[in-house]
Amino acid sequence: DAKTTQPTSMDCAEGRAANLPCNHSTISGNEYVYWYRQIHSQGPQYIIHGLKNNETNEMASLIITEDRKSSTLILPHATLRDTAVYYCIVRVGGGNKLVFGAGTILRVKS
Amino acid sequence: GAVVSQHPSWVICKSGTSVKIECRSLDFQATTMFWYRQFPKQSLMLMATSNEGSKATYEQGVEKDKFLINHASLTLSTLTVTSAHPEDSSFYICSARGPLNQPQHFGDGTRLSIL
Repeated sequence: DAKTTQPTSMDCAEGRAANLPCNHSTISGNEYVYWYRQIHSQGPQYIIHGLKNNETNEMASLIITEDRKSSTLILPHATLRDTAVYYCIVRVGGGNKLVFGAGTILRVKS
Repeated sequence: GAVVSQHPSWVICKSGTSVKIECRSLDFQATTMFWYRQFPKQSLMLMATSNEGSKATYEQGVEKDKFLINHASLTLSTLTVTSAHPEDSSFYICSARGPLNQPQHFGDGTRLSIL
């Protein structure tokens, strides 16, 4: 599975949009982009995933570039409870493993 | 949404004892379950993958005789840490997935402390 690169940490003001980038320049055509987050001392929470089209659900939006080499997770109105480590993972469709990198520590501040 | 329940949430026990952790998918059939371990300030490390009714596949460096995994049904997998020692103290997290291409969903983890 392709490797991802994310910034180590980011800050965001409460109520503003949080835009979390992810670089996956070696992604293959059959690999999906998954986003999870982990709030301290809890298991990871699934947020969203996509292949090549932009996706939106009740939690977030996922914007994937046309060449699929990078993507951005958007939390439209960040709250203090969105403070967490956010993981961007690419995985072959139907593949078994989710391999976690270091992720991005998002701090939402009032 | 998909719910994965993990039990117990935390356990403290003496060195040398064995500890069993349960992972259940509550509202879907989990054809595949996964066990992860997380040390403080580190990311999750995959330990093993199990499919219902078959032997687990362990990641390199994970002792299969130390960490026994049983996936006897489509809703239950167990991890037994045998003869646990202080270095086995960690946060153990399970996840489950239904049909292919569906996301994995995670339990809330078990904090294991071996004295």
